[in-house]
Amino acid sequence: NAGVMQNPRHLVRRRGQEARLRCSPMKGHSHVYWYRQLPEEGLKFMVYLQKENIIDESGMPKERFSAEFPKEGPSILRIQQVVRGDSAAYFCASSPFTAGRETQYFGPGTRLLVL
Amino acid sequence: GENVEQHPSTLSVQEGDSAVIKCTYSDSASNYFPWYKQELGKRPQLIIDIRSNVGEKKDQRIAVTLNKTAKHFSLHITETQPEDSAVYFCAASEGGFKTIFGAGTRLFVKA
Repeated sequence: NAGVMQNPRHLVRRRGQEARLRCSPMKGHSHVYWYRQLPEEGLKFMVYLQKENIIDESGMPKERFSAEFPKEGPSILRIQQVVRGDSAAYFCASSPFTAGRETQYFGPGTRLLVL
Repeated sequence: GENVEQHPSTLSVQEGDSAVIKCTYSDSASNYFPWYKQELGKRPQLIIDIRSNVGEKKDQRIAVTLNKTAKHFSLHITETQPEDSAVYFCAASEGGFKTIFGAGTRLFVKA
């Protein structure tokens, strides 16, 4: 059973470009969470999604950031018109979200560098 | 919303000593408290978790305690080893919904 997959592992963008980060949850997991981690800092919640639904996006900036988890395919975190401050590691996690099985399993992260 | 505070931010211990990391949370509805270990450049990995219907849980050298009344929980690592050196994060959530993480504790175990 493959773990949570993220790609790309490293992404370099110039200011103003778009960044697309992908996350494939573990098999059987229906919920995906995205977090941002700045160097030497903790994990900041961004958004929590179920297939075709955004459950909670309270941690995601209102502008330039969007997330989706379509019926088929991976979850996508999209950052439009990137700025230097968007440089960070972006982790996704997945969980089966059944009673007593709330544990989130993390992917390896995508390290975004904005030049 | 939930707020999780974690202390200390840095902890240095001698190999073989114990390490204790403490967290407090604000939302009394939180009922699931995982702890993650993150090595440099790696993903966070779950090391232990506790649910609000339990006061203590142990797994070999690692234990977690929860005081619901005071809204705090702690991680205890006994007989520390150099490979325990990493950043440790506590977290709180209500049934796996939005999960809020503490700022992390950087643990150094000196050989």
